[in-house]
Formats: sequence, structure tokens, C-alpha cells
Amino acid sequence: AQTVTQSQPEMSVQEAETVTLSCTYDTSESDYYLFWYKQPPSRQMILVIRQEAYKQQNATENRFSVNFQKAAKSFSLKISDSQLGDAAMYFCAYRSGFSQGAQKLVFGQGTRLTINP
Amino acid sequence: EAQVTQNPRYLITVTGKKLTVTCSQNMNHEYMSWYRQDPGLGLRQIYYSMNVEVTDKGDVPEGYKVSRKEKRNFPLILESPSPNQTSLYFCASSLMGRGRDTEAFFGQGTRLTVV
Repeated sequence: AQTVTQSQPEMSVQEAETVTLSCTYDTSESDYYLFWYKQPPSRQMILVIRQEAYKQQNATENRFSVNFQKAAKSFSLKISDSQLGDAAMYFCAYRSGFSQGAQKLVFGQGTRLTINP
Repeated sequence: EAQVTQNPRYLITVTGKKLTVTCSQNMNHEYMSWYRQDPGLGLRQIYYSMNVEVTDKGDVPEGYKVSRKEKRNFPLILESPSPNQTSLYFCASSLMGRGRDTEAFFGQGTRLTVV
């Protein structure tokens, strides 16, 4: 079974600075997707960024980028120019690329990010 | 507007009193699932459904039931709730298959407290 581990329960960063959230995963599959979700106090689950395992290029979405190290099974999220609105719980998630179970998301434990003004 | 709607958003109940949390989606998605979120554990899948009348257990199914009589609805049933089912619950839906159009849509969450 696949597992996702976020080893940082809490992180904090000064506004306008850069922060990196860590995520490692374990799988024997070669075809899969990785995601970062943001959960603000409203509890809404917001997709931040997505990475396909077959793509070598790291995904980027504006101020958010990932460092995808497939051999090391590592998938970190970098937030540049941190803003107060980035404060939230962040979840790393895995999804199989195979048809059986392809829609199930496996989540990490979450990292609570605080932005200091 | 494409959305997944859960009700209620907050619920306090007593041990043993049957309850149902409703979930409805308006995107004609085949796949629907329920997750529970607990501190330090992230979200874990309870049950899922790949289409009408097709449901299966996720990772933490004990104490829960589901049904999928219509494509749009996927209610979560707690026949005899216990305090260890106090949690934040999310319903999610998606298209089956691969690609960017198969991203999961989440409901707003239901905060359940069992006393």
C-alpha cells in the first residue's frame, strides 16, 4: 500500500520570504500523480499544484513550485514571496495512475503553515 | 456552478443515535468517496463508489455505511455513532480515468461530534 509522510507538523515563515514544505512517499508503482492541497480555516480543500510522475519537469503555479525527486520519492512544495493568505494546513497526496484505485487519494498528515507579518 | 454539497456542516449527536450525512454533486461524476480527517493522521478514505450501486470499503470503513442509488448522491450513514467517530468528514467526487479533468472536487466538510 502507498504511504505519504509529512514530517513537519508546523512551519512558520515571515511574510514575503520563501518556505519549503517536505513530503516523502512510498510506492512500488511507476505511474502516479502527486498533489499539494491547501486547507484554510474555512476547511475548504483547494488544489494547489499537481505533478505527474512521468514528467521530469517540476510543476509550477505562480508562487508555488515543487521539487519532485522521483528516485528519492520526495515531493516538496516551495512557496515564494509568502503572503498572509497562504496561512493554512497543507496536505501532500498521492494518487495511483492505474485504473484500479486510480481515483483514491492517499494523504499525508498535514503541515500547518503560519505566516508572520 | 460545479460543486459538491454536504449537509450538515456541523452536527453534535449522542452515542448510538443513527445519523446520515448527505453528499450531492452536480457534475455527473462517476466516482464518489468519503474521507475523515483527524489531527496528525491527515485524511483517510472511508468508502468509495465507482458508479451507481457499486460501492466498496476504503481504509477505515468500520462503523460506517454508504449507498449509491443515484449518480449524484452518496450519503454516509452512521448506524450507531460512537465518540471515536468524532471527526471532520469530506465527500469528494471526480470523473473516472486519467488526466487533468479527473481532479477531485471536495465538499465543504462536516464537523461531527459524538458525545
